Amino acid sequence: DAKTTQPNSMESNEEEPVHLPCNHSTISGTDYIHWYRQLPSQGPEYVIHGLTSNVNNRMASLAIAEDRKSSTLILHRATLRDAAVYYCILRDGSNSGYALNFGKGTSLLVTP
Amino acid sequence: NAGVMQNPRHLVRRRGQEARLRCSPMKGHSHVYWYRQLPEEGLKFMVYLQKENIIDESGMPKERFSAEFPKEGPSILRIQQVVRGDSAAYFCASSPRQVMNTEAFFGQGTRLTVV
Repeated sequence: DAKTTQPNSMESNEEEPVHLPCNHSTISGTDYIHWYRQLPSQGPEYVIHGLTSNVNNRMASLAIAEDRKSSTLILHRATLRDAAVYYCILRDGSNSGYALNFGKGTSLLVTP
Repeated sequence: NAGVMQNPRHLVRRRGQEARLRCSPMKGHSHVYWYRQLPEEGLKFMVYLQKENIIDESGMPKERFSAEFPKEGPSILRIQQVVRGDSAAYFCASSPRQVMNTEAFFGQGTRLTVV
């Protein structure tokens, strides 16, 4: 799987939007961009994924650069419950690799 | 539809004992993945199984660790002769198909403590 680069940590105020960046300059044309998050003492939780077009769901939005070398996870209004480690993961849609390979992720701190 | 169920949630074993961790995937899911998270570290892939088959065990330690996903019943991760370094959180995930363009659902994990 191609490598992703994320900031180690970010901080946001409650009820403000949060933009979590992810660089993946070696992404291939068949790689899907997945985001998961892990709240303290819990298992990872799926957030969103996309291939080329921007995606929206009830949790977040995913903005994908036109060249696909970077993406941004957008939380529209951060709450205290959004404090977690956020992982950006590339998954190759063309081969038979199986695992989601979690890196170090971005630790998001939300302050009241 | 219940989520991925892991049990026990907490497990304490003495050095040299065996640990058996169970994972019941979501209904209709035939793909199971096991991950390990050491204290203050990231999640590391261990093994991927489909019903009755090990597909990818590239992340499994070569000794003492084994996994199975029988036709009936939960997936089992077995650790024989546990050592202190096995203390970690073990997470199981399931998906209805390979996760390239679909989501994986994770359980709450089993926290193994070796004393």
